[in-house]
Amino acid sequence: AQSVTQLGSHVSVSEGALVLLRCNYSSSVPPYLFWYVQYPNQGLQLLLKYTSAATLVKGINGFEAEFKKSETSFHLTKPSAHMSDAAEYFCAVTRTGYNKLIFGAGTRLAVHP
Amino acid sequence: NAGVMQNPRHLVRRRGQEARLRCSPVKGHSHVYWYRQLPEEGLKFMVYLQKENIIDESGMPKERFSAEFPKEGPSILRIQQVVRGDSAAYFCASSPPWTENTGELFFGEGSRLTVL
Repeated sequence: AQSVTQLGSHVSVSEGALVLLRCNYSSSVPPYLFWYVQYPNQGLQLLLKYTSAATLVKGINGFEAEFKKSETSFHLTKPSAHMSDAAEYFCAVTRTGYNKLIFGAGTRLAVHP
Repeated sequence: NAGVMQNPRHLVRRRGQEARLRCSPVKGHSHVYWYRQLPEEGLKFMVYLQKENIIDESGMPKERFSAEFPKEGPSILRIQQVVRGDSAAYFCASSPPWTENTGELFFGEGSRLTVL
């Protein structure tokens, strides 16, 4: 079975500060991992994905995530937060050949001036 | 190309009525997934369909909920005799055939059901 745990349901940072959103996964097979972003009253937009190529994955809007097998982690980072980054972020896992994504509970990011 | 289209975007029903939510996948996508998002919660998988087949319905409530993806037309999630606890955002996602599969799902903007 696969699962995802996102540590911290709410994260608050100042504009220009580092963004770090944590995601740990559990999977008995090599996983595919994703970060999606959801703006209020909208659907989910893919930020980035790991599919067994490079362990450091770069996504849209300056976000990146590093797959660490030894730590079963896939944390999302951005060097400098912008006000427009305020949204809810979801980590998700699936396995090769099967697209049923299992989502974490989400982390709501607030960015203060 | 159009993305995943869901309608209605907002639906209000009284307890006991039926709700029908429609999803048209990205053109060329043959796999459809339905997820439910309760207020302040993450997305919970409900059902995975291919054309005319239900592949995985492990997340569907045993009663009142059904889904279909006919050969022609959109996928439909049907909720009979709605109750207040059904109030949620229902998201549809699609993915291409396996030969083009990268694991990514493409999401619609959701249908927000309110049960009075």
